[in-house]
Amino acid sequence: DSGVTQTPKHLITATGQRVTLRCSPRSGDLSVYWYQQSLDQGLQFLIQYYNGEERAKGNILERFSAQQFPDLHSELNLSSLELGDSALYFCASSASGGAHEQYFGPGTRLTVT
Amino acid sequence: GQQVMQIPQYQHVQEGEDFTTYCNSSTTLSNIQWYKQRPGGHPVFLIQLVKSGEVKKQKRLTFQFGEAKKNSSLHITATQTTDVGTYFCAPNTGNQFYFGTGTSLTVIP
Repeated sequence: DSGVTQTPKHLITATGQRVTLRCSPRSGDLSVYWYQQSLDQGLQFLIQYYNGEERAKGNILERFSAQQFPDLHSELNLSSLELGDSALYFCASSASGGAHEQYFGPGTRLTVT
Repeated sequence: GQQVMQIPQYQHVQEGEDFTTYCNSSTTLSNIQWYKQRPGGHPVFLIQLVKSGEVKKQKRLTFQFGEAKKNSSLHITATQTTDVGTYFCAPNTGNQFYFGTGTSLTVIP
């Protein structure tokens, strides 16, 4: 158990819909990262937040957005969902915003039908 | 932009054989991390390498960082069935977090 929690575990929704994935980092960690893992794309970095502020941006689509709240939990919002958005979404946390080891949550499996 | 190649993509070995995966970057790296993901699981941090030419060992696992800080390798001696999973390198060039494509290791008992 990494100490990072993600909800929900599974999510099935239809194309065009909007969903919110939630992540609680390990106690004391200030940085949260979001990743998308699909079979053909591997593990893709989406975005990083550090202490409530966006720190780095990766291959995140404009239909996707994220935020980190004062209590440090984070949410990833996915809108206008397409079939290709079906994937495993991981949240990870680290102690600081730099090059520190990341602790991954169990992931949310999103299926878009 | 950052390009990371990890080879091989798949590796099947007999239990007891050695295994090596390589991670190659097109740019000089600040540091590199390695993660392991068991089937159905999430990535788990293994190690971080920072210095040029650095070698670190964890029991049967040996990690190396190239002198030019552009490549790295993970070597497992005498594989066991518990080594099954996908091994990812995660090079860091500052504010971007990339993961290599991963090497999926199958160990045949």
